[in-house]
Amino acid sequence: SQTIHQWPATLVQPVGSPLSLECTVEGTSNPNLYWYRQAAGRGLQLLFYSVGIGQISSEVPQNLSASRPQDRQFILSSKKLLLSDSGFYLCAWSDKGNGQPQHFGDGTRLSIL
Amino acid sequence: KQEVTQIPAALSVPEGENLVLNCSFTDSAIYNLQWFRQDPGKGLTSLLLIQSSQREQTSGRLNASLDKSSGRSTLYIAASQPGDSATYLCAVRVLYGQNFVFGPGTRLSVLP
Repeated sequence: SQTIHQWPATLVQPVGSPLSLECTVEGTSNPNLYWYRQAAGRGLQLLFYSVGIGQISSEVPQNLSASRPQDRQFILSSKKLLLSDSGFYLCAWSDKGNGQPQHFGDGTRLSIL
Repeated sequence: KQEVTQIPAALSVPEGENLVLNCSFTDSAIYNLQWFRQDPGKGLTSLLLIQSSQREQTSGRLNASLDKSSGRSTLYIAASQPGDSATYLCAVRVLYGQNFVFGPGTRLSVLP
């Protein structure tokens, strides 16, 4: 069966520090991968998605970036964190095909001090 | 641009009641609609997926319907239990691109 792993589960970082969140998927190949942010009291905002290695689409301009160095690995990064980057970050995957559901990881709670 | 709304924002019911959560979307050009459950501080758990050609899906005490032409979906929960307390989100898969658009969620509390 397929599983998705996100780490770390929680992270506290000072303003201006770098960020690296990692997400890996097991049990499937060539999935679509997604990064979302969920701010307190707000819905999920799609940040990036990827349909293949090295292919990244950005939905929201910001100081975050994403990379997909391997088929089932998706990384969210920042060179300098802002206070507004605080939130709950969720990684998701779906199989190729337009009717496929999304499956989510457990999320990373990021607090910027 | 697709927009998804959910009504009510919060709901509190006594245990055993049947209840309906609503999801509306502005553009009927979708591949499917998915209902999720989110417990506090956790990720999303998929509950039901309805393809655009389907009218409803059922899983246990849950039944989801889809009326694509009117841009509406409902999630029916029968005989609610305290363990059903969570935030319920709906999301549509848009026809253009690879995107899913989420609603803001309905926070459900089932009181024992």
